[in-house]
Amino acid sequence: DVKVTQSSRYLVKRTGEKVFLECVQDMDHENMFWYRQDPGLGLRLIYFSYDVKMKEKGDIPEGYSVSREKKERFSLILESASTNQTSMYLCASSFLAGGPGELFFGEGSRLTVL
Amino acid sequence: QKEVEQNSGPLSVPEGAIASLNCTYSDRGSQSFFWYRQYSGKSPELIMSIYSNGDKEDGRFTAQLNKASQYVSLLIRDSQPSDSATYLCAVSRDDKIIFGKGTRLHILP
Repeated sequence: DVKVTQSSRYLVKRTGEKVFLECVQDMDHENMFWYRQDPGLGLRLIYFSYDVKMKEKGDIPEGYSVSREKKERFSLILESASTNQTSMYLCASSFLAGGPGELFFGEGSRLTVL
Repeated sequence: QKEVEQNSGPLSVPEGAIASLNCTYSDRGSQSFFWYRQYSGKSPELIMSIYSNGDKEDGRFTAQLNKASQYVSLLIRDSQPSDSATYLCAVSRDDKIIFGKGTRLHILP
């Protein structure tokens, strides 16, 4: 079974702090994605990556950056956390080279920014 | 126009009946279509994918795609209480997968 592991299930941070959300997948998938999910807004794509050291902006990249130094690991970075970044963050991976394919999600990281 | 539209529900269906979930999308170039199920407090899990016009069946689930009408549906036969969840329609756009906001389904025992 595909396993996508997110490092923290629950985080509480203060405004202005730098936040790292880590995601690791164990199935040698080429594609990795970060979404956030908010009530009434659904799942929105923040960033994605189709290869090591490659990144593409999704629909809501403002306030976020990402890092993919190794194929299995995709990190989401909030340089200076703000209260409107309080959300559920979901990492996903897929195996289809050159396209998004079918997504396998991690368990999610619920971030609260005070 | 929203890219992927779903009725938010809740859709209430008696146990044993057929649940019908609908989704429309705006990008005529979309090639891949997915249905995900999300239980409360959990992450989405894929239940069906469909890539060509027509029906695709998998157990109690049938996905239907009509590209001319830009319409995707999911039928759940013999609905069970365990089917109560939010169902997310997802569509490929360029190199991304875009999600609808989901339909909450409630199976009445």
